[in-house]
Amino acid sequence: DAGVIQSPRHEVTEMGQEVTLRCKPISGHDYLFWYRQTMMRGLELLIYFNNNVPIDDSGMPEDRFSAKMPNASFSTLKIQPSEPRDSAVYFCASSSGVRGNQPQHFGDGTRLSIL
Amino acid sequence: GNSVTQMEGPVTLSEEAFLTINCTYTATGYPSLFWYVQYPGEGLQLLLKATKADDKGSNKGFEATYRKETTSFHLEKGSVQVSDSAVYFCALHSGGGADGLTFGKGTHLIIQP
Repeated sequence: DAGVIQSPRHEVTEMGQEVTLRCKPISGHDYLFWYRQTMMRGLELLIYFNNNVPIDDSGMPEDRFSAKMPNASFSTLKIQPSEPRDSAVYFCASSSGVRGNQPQHFGDGTRLSIL
Repeated sequence: GNSVTQMEGPVTLSEEAFLTINCTYTATGYPSLFWYVQYPGEGLQLLLKATKADDKGSNKGFEATYRKETTSFHLEKGSVQVSDSAVYFCALHSGGGADGLTFGKGTHLIIQP
């Protein structure tokens, strides 16, 4: 079975540019999560969706960040305009529920570098 | 709020050594606890989990026991291999309304032949 698929794997762009990260969750999973990983702060939850509806976006750092889930098989995380401090690895994860026996499955991440 | 504290790394061991990576937590409600592993260039993979007090999660020779009295979930392995070199994350899900995982900062494990 295909796991969580993220694209691109790597993105290098100049500050001020718009960046769009993409995620395809595992088919049948109702929950989708976006995380950011940095050396300083570790793994942070940015936002998550349930049945395509954003439930909690309190982890989104600021208005430059936005996320959408137009359908059950696709989500985007957008940064506009991008800044060097946004450089990080961004992970998408999905799960069939949020109980302990329904763990999250992670994609391989997008390594973002803002110059 | 919820938090997870892991021992700082990197942890460097020789092959066949005994491994312990400490993890303690603070949470509301009755959390489920997880260990995830991240190999270089890859995403996180679930290693093991425990959903209630005194449960022991195990996988690939790794074990961790959910200790409510000490709010701990230490990861152990009796004999490590070079292929175990990775970053290990302790995480919790509180089940108290917040549906995301709370992660520790990760412990980088290096196994030398």
